Amino acid sequence: KAGVTQTPRYLIKTRGQQVTLSCSPISGHRSVSWYQQTPGQGLQFLFEYFSETQRNKGNFPGRFSGRQFSNSRSEMNVSTLELGDSALYLCASSLEGGRVQETQYFGPGTRLLVL
Amino acid sequence: LAKTTQPISMDSYEGQEVNITCSHNNIATNDYITWYQQFPSQGPRFIIQGYKTKVTNEVASLFIPADRKSSTLSLPRVSLSDTAVYYCLVGDGRLAGANNLFFGTGTRLTVIP
Repeated sequence: KAGVTQTPRYLIKTRGQQVTLSCSPISGHRSVSWYQQTPGQGLQFLFEYFSETQRNKGNFPGRFSGRQFSNSRSEMNVSTLELGDSALYLCASSLEGGRVQETQYFGPGTRLLVL
Repeated sequence: LAKTTQPISMDSYEGQEVNITCSHNNIATNDYITWYQQFPSQGPRFIIQGYKTKVTNEVASLFIPADRKSSTLSLPRVSLSDTAVYYCLVGDGRLAGANNLFFGTGTRLTVIP
């Protein structure tokens, strides 16, 4: 079974631009979560989608948004990029409800550099 | 949400057993304890999860004392490939959704030849 895939793997943008990242979960997984990882703040939860609905949201500004499609694939969008948005963006999928007892499977991440 | 505290870093020689302790003093009744491993430029990978006493799998063991205010991840006979960051998480088992998966700073384990 293929793992979680994320595209693109690397991205360079300039301040003020917007970016869209894509995540394909493991086949059959319905919950997709997004995380931001930076050296200073560590791994931080952005949001989680389940059955095309955002179920949970972390503490990030409205510039960060996402969506999930009927095939469970998910995209996240960051508008008006700032230098501080440079980070590794990780997507994780789990089978059903994303309960802590369920294993989260992470993708390799998209490394975004904002200049 | 229960906050976790782990050592920032640890060093170990190859072949030794490594024990990483995580403190979670305000753990709640419904909380589970989960450990993840992360290699550089990769996403975290699930290692082990437990609620109480001891859990063992092919990779590690997890020891949880009766009061559950701490837990210890034990890696037997580490090799160089075990060099990674290890995260301890505590999350409410009743909640759906990953908002309770909060990663702390983790413990950076360096295995020395």
